[in-house]
Amino acid sequence: DTAVSQTPKYLVTQMGNDKSIKCEQNLGHDTMYWYKQDSKKFLKIMFSYNNKELIINETVPNRFSPKSPDKAHLNLHINSLELGDSAVYFCASSQSLAGDKETQYFGPGTRLLVL
Amino acid sequence: GEDVEQSLFLSVREGDSSVINCTYTDSSSTYLYWYKQEPGAGLQLLTYIFSNMDMKQDQRLTVLLNKKDKHLSLRIADTQTGDSAIYFCAETIGAGTALIFGKGTTLSVSS
Repeated sequence: DTAVSQTPKYLVTQMGNDKSIKCEQNLGHDTMYWYKQDSKKFLKIMFSYNNKELIINETVPNRFSPKSPDKAHLNLHINSLELGDSAVYFCASSQSLAGDKETQYFGPGTRLLVL
Repeated sequence: GEDVEQSLFLSVREGDSSVINCTYTDSSSTYLYWYKQEPGAGLQLLTYIFSNMDMKQDQRLTVLLNKKDKHLSLRIADTQTGDSAIYFCAETIGAGTALIFGKGTTLSVSS
């Protein structure tokens, strides 16, 4: 199926650990995003990459580091996990940055719980 | 600054129409979107409207945009129990910008 996929779907870990979440899209899109959804369901952009280049970097602790090995993948690495990092992390992609090609399609989310 | 507001809850009976409202503050919005999130699931794009349009219809969904009042609405005709979900309004304010989401409206459909 053509889609935006994320792994893992669930991630439970201890405070202080380092973890990664992977995202892949096989839609041939140029632009990928990471969003965070908190416990109140509020969604906020974290990062965006276009053709492997960082274009949006919101106010996010530098413990969060995105990596885009190619334009089909955007991974999120989190160092020294804190309780407040518990959330659902959504990856999304869009064909490009302009016009109606900026419509974003979302992955299923990764539910991160930090204990 | 950018802000998108939605009412938090809407409860309707099966077969009725649902209308979910959204207001936004940034007049430079280019596209406005409606996403649906079912419990424990990801975000599903329902529909979108370009800012120079007033209305868009897609089967049971009708989107109305009042650009003067910066008001967007989503009407779901013949609402079904399967429509129960959180509905997010979102905007982009230009090429290369991220989606700015409202806090979501939880739609509850009773039979």
